Amino acid sequence: GQQVQQSPTSLVLQEGENAELQCNFSTSLNSMQWFYQRPGGSLISVFYNPSGTKQSGRLTSTTVIKERRSSLHISSSQITDSGTYLCAMGESSGSWQLIFGSGTQLTVMP
Amino acid sequence: EAAVTQSPRNKVTVTGGNVTLSCRQTNSHNYMYWYRQDTGHGLRLIHYSYGAGNLQIGDVPDGYKATRTTQEDFFLLLELASPSQTSLYFCASSDAPDAEQFFGPGTRLTVL
Repeated sequence: GQQVQQSPTSLVLQEGENAELQCNFSTSLNSMQWFYQRPGGSLISVFYNPSGTKQSGRLTSTTVIKERRSSLHISSSQITDSGTYLCAMGESSGSWQLIFGSGTQLTVMP
Repeated sequence: EAAVTQSPRNKVTVTGGNVTLSCRQTNSHNYMYWYRQDTGHGLRLIHYSYGAGNLQIGDVPDGYKATRTTQEDFFLLLELASPSQTSLYFCASSDAPDAEQFFGPGTRLTVL
């Protein structure tokens, strides 16, 4: 089965609303990253957050290892936040790769 | 922040053609990775390396070779390109296997 499950698949907000994106893992992890991507664009690292809570401006990431989940909270969304958000986990079983979720497509409307 | 560059940014070739994708990182990272991104499959690891001369196989290595010539440079080779290799290719680097990975801008490859 899929090791990394992201939800929701897509989300449409009015500008100023908050967003909560979820990522759930089926195996234990030793690293965790959130990325932002515009269609066909590069992957921009938003957070490297293997555990705990990190905040950067309007963005907050919380990773709870025991519960095998991570979340990305976007407060006071802006039109420029639109794009795809991907979470990725690094396995703790010895593999050196990031395993990516399918992404959440966020659209912020004016 | 690590600087990872890729070239070319776009490439069109024909079936059976030879293609080399280049990646350079300038932050002295030991680990480098090649991923491909496809609709419906997400990002998948092709090959990775933990140092010059080292090569490890990822999840989708068939049809690809890779070579790490220096700490900075990692190349992906398609010797007989096929339409199924049409994709967006990303290179990444990291300081350690469980550390943050930094991605390049991507190379869009089209095989006709």
